[in-house]
Amino acid sequence: QPVLTQPSSHSASSGASVRLTCMLSSGFSVGDFWIRWYQQKPGNPPRYLLYYHSDSNKGQGSGVPSRFSGSNDASANAGILRISGLQPEDEADYYCGTWHSNSKTWVFGGGTKLTVL
Amino acid sequence: QVQLVQSGAEVKKPGASVKVSCKASGYTFTSYYMHWVRQAPGQGLEWMGIINPSGGSTSYAQKFQGRVTMTRDTSTSTVYMELSSLRSEDTAVYYCASDYGGIWGQGTLVTVSS
Repeated sequence: QPVLTQPSSHSASSGASVRLTCMLSSGFSVGDFWIRWYQQKPGNPPRYLLYYHSDSNKGQGSGVPSRFSGSNDASANAGILRISGLQPEDEADYYCGTWHSNSKTWVFGGGTKLTVL
Repeated sequence: QVQLVQSGAEVKKPGASVKVSCKASGYTFTSYYMHWVRQAPGQGLEWMGIINPSGGSTSYAQKFQGRVTMTRDTSTSTVYMELSSLRSEDTAVYYCASDYGGIWGQGTLVTVSS
């Protein structure tokens, strides 16, 4: 089954834009997967943000601001979560995940701790 | 209101079993798969398995095969996750998460300690 690799941490200034990456392991193509993104703040369950498969097949979670968006980077074989206009309340852990239909299993990335400076 | 409400915290001894419930409301329970995910203290999310509330079919992560059982009760819109042969490493917050809108339960802390 695929492995999703996320950088353990990332920091950026308030008002900036960030790209959080979720790299798919060798042998799997990001274009074949629907990547979901979650935000988790301390002491709370994860919050579903969005999913991305392609520009024509994507979706935003209920109430999630449009400054959160998804895309793929085929050259890096990675799913991307872009957050524009960073706000202090965006400081959180971000997880990607995807369903692997062949093994009927779900896989999470290890998560990225985003710090807003 | 769409929500998943989980049962309360549990303290168990090593070797025991725990059964956590997750009651869904506000949507058609049988139309959306339910996942169970756990998170050990200070760690990331770990997927345990999935159940189809309609027919009851399940798929479990290989790590938990033989130790986890997921069931559902359609009359009460509730899914259950039972984990057996508990060890200290199973101490974690256990979440249910529905494919309906990506909603998550509030989490259930399971502490395994002698």
